[in-house]
Amino acid sequence: ETGVTQSPTHLIKTRGQQVTLRCSSQSGHNTVSWYQQALGQGPQFIFQYYREEENGRGNFPPRFSGLQFPNYSSELNVNALELDDSALYLCASSSDRGLSEAFFGQGTRLTVV
Amino acid sequence: GEDVEQSLFLSVREGDSSVINCTYTDSSSTYLYWYKQEPGAGLQLLTYIFSNMDMKQDQRLTVLLNKKDKHLSLRIADTQTGDSAIYFCAESNMNRDDKIIFGKGTRLHILP
Repeated sequence: ETGVTQSPTHLIKTRGQQVTLRCSSQSGHNTVSWYQQALGQGPQFIFQYYREEENGRGNFPPRFSGLQFPNYSSELNVNALELDDSALYLCASSSDRGLSEAFFGQGTRLTVV
Repeated sequence: GEDVEQSLFLSVREGDSSVINCTYTDSSSTYLYWYKQEPGAGLQLLTYIFSNMDMKQDQRLTVLLNKKDKHLSLRIADTQTGDSAIYFCAESNMNRDDKIIFGKGTRLHILP
């Protein structure tokens, strides 16, 4: 139990739709990172939010966007869904951008049909 | 760019030691990690090592780091059926974008 919770756990969407995934950070953590894990692959960094500002971004198109709220919870939004967006989406929370103790949630399994 | 490589499969008999190996390319890596992922679950941080260390032991887990060769290993002593999972090697660099770079994972299969 890491204290990082994600919702929903599973989701099915149609190509072209939009989706919002949510992450609640561990208490005391002000940094949230989002990762995409395709089947059979390691997680790929999407972006990180630190104190409500985007702090770094991986190689993902602008239709992947995010928000971090004053309570440090976070959302990942994906517009114009494509079949290849089907994956496990993981969020990780940490303290002051430090990565040594980044704790991951259980993930949201997104299926695009 | 930065890359992390690890073998995809490992089979070990119950009670034996498991050794999972990993190589990485970023010579300025700050932290090296091992994560465990069980079927249908998220990632569990098993252990991590700071780049100026060469060994870390935590109960049944031993991490060895050869910084010169950019080689990291995880040894699990007395492997149990509950150790069956995918193990991800990963690294981060505090001077780079704040991201963790993962390998593709090693699936550990326990033989009876």
